Amino acid sequence: EDKVVQSPLSLVVHEGDTVTLNCSYEVTNFRSLLWYKQEKKAPTFLFMLTSSGIEKKSGRLSSILDKKELSSILNITATQTGDSAIYLCAGYNAGNMLTFGGGTRLMVKP
Amino acid sequence: DAGVTQSPTHLIKTRGQQVTLRCSPKSGHDTVSWYQQALGQGPQFIFQYYEEEERQRGNFPDRFSGHQFPNYSSELNVNALLLGDSALYLCASSFGIGEKLFFGSGTQLSVL
Repeated sequence: EDKVVQSPLSLVVHEGDTVTLNCSYEVTNFRSLLWYKQEKKAPTFLFMLTSSGIEKKSGRLSSILDKKELSSILNITATQTGDSAIYLCAGYNAGNMLTFGGGTRLMVKP
Repeated sequence: DAGVTQSPTHLIKTRGQQVTLRCSPKSGHDTVSWYQQALGQGPQFIFQYYEEEERQRGNFPDRFSGHQFPNYSSELNVNALLLGDSALYLCASSFGIGEKLFFGSGTQLSVL
């Protein structure tokens, strides 16, 4: 059974801090890893990573995949209160089944 | 361009009843996946529909069934509801299988 584990479970930082969220996976015939942000109900797509070592960036957010370590990190620089959310990581297997981790709850205080 | 829409937004049922949740995918998308998200947990995969057929299924009992219509919209049916079925049910669509998913805002189901 595929498994995705995220750490930490929750994190409280102040505006302007930099945070690193971790995701490790045990996914049969792994294909790709995805990150989502869930503020209220609908998770919104952040990144899809398929190649190891290539950083993807979008504004203050960036992410990288390490296939040797079966892991990924999501970095957020100069955090803002609007970054407060649950961040979800998920892995696709070769059968195209997407397994989610339990999420990291980030709170950014002013 | 409408995103993924789900109905209803909230639903209250009692144990043993049956429920039907509905989902319209984002325009241009042909694949629909359903997830169950319990409070404080990540989404759990229920099943995925493509070309009106169930293509993948997660570890959910047969009480959970679904359907995809020719216009790509989908329904999730749950029979013989249990208290443990109380959760947020998320629908996600994509163009093809194995691609990034776009999620709807979910249906919050409470079973009393």
